[in-house]
Amino acid sequence: GAGVSQSPSNKVTEKGKDVELRCDPISGHTALYWYRQSLGQGLEFLIYFQGNSAPDKSGLPSDRFSAERTGGSVSTLTIQRTQQEDSAVYLCASSLVGGQRTDTQYFGPGTRLTVL
Amino acid sequence: AQKVTQAQTEISVVEKEDVTLDCVYETRDTTYYLFWYKQPPSGELVFLIRRNSFDEQNEISGRYSWNFQKSTSSFNFTITASQVVDSAVYFCALKGGGKLIFGQGTTLQVKP
Repeated sequence: GAGVSQSPSNKVTEKGKDVELRCDPISGHTALYWYRQSLGQGLEFLIYFQGNSAPDKSGLPSDRFSAERTGGSVSTLTIQRTQQEDSAVYLCASSLVGGQRTDTQYFGPGTRLTVL
Repeated sequence: AQKVTQAQTEISVVEKEDVTLDCVYETRDTTYYLFWYKQPPSGELVFLIRRNSFDEQNEISGRYSWNFQKSTSSFNFTITASQVVDSAVYFCALKGGGKLIFGQGTTLQVKP
């Protein structure tokens, strides 16, 4: 079946602009996660959604970052007033279940964001 | 605090050599889950294995094997008879709450 898809694959923007990154999870997966991978910080958790529960936003680095998940499926990560330090690969993952119950997270190909 | 340490930043071997990637973790949870992922040059993270804390049986899958030892908080990964296609960055991860906590990754280069 289809895996996690993300769009765009690459995004170049100017400092100060807003960007939106999209994630389509595997069909039927109830949990969705966003991570960021950068050279200096490795792989960092940003936010995760589990069903209808309130999202865990504990990894968002600032209030410029937000995410939503519509209809329990597609998710959009928005970065407002982008800064050069936001340049990274943004990875989305989904799993069948989440929270304290464990299931495997499957990752998408990522969106490479470059802020000039 | 929960933490994953992969002390080996880069490893270089010649094809057909065996190689072990180390992973040490810290957690106060009594039940936890550990993972290994592979990130080839294409960039996508590929799931390799998941282990839970109450099952210390080692696992073998083809040329891959994993050694889980709770006594030393380690979850090491061995590739037997390495191949050039094994060249990638390998990440060990600990499930903490909903999220994965990753180590810094080990870059494995397998030379022909």
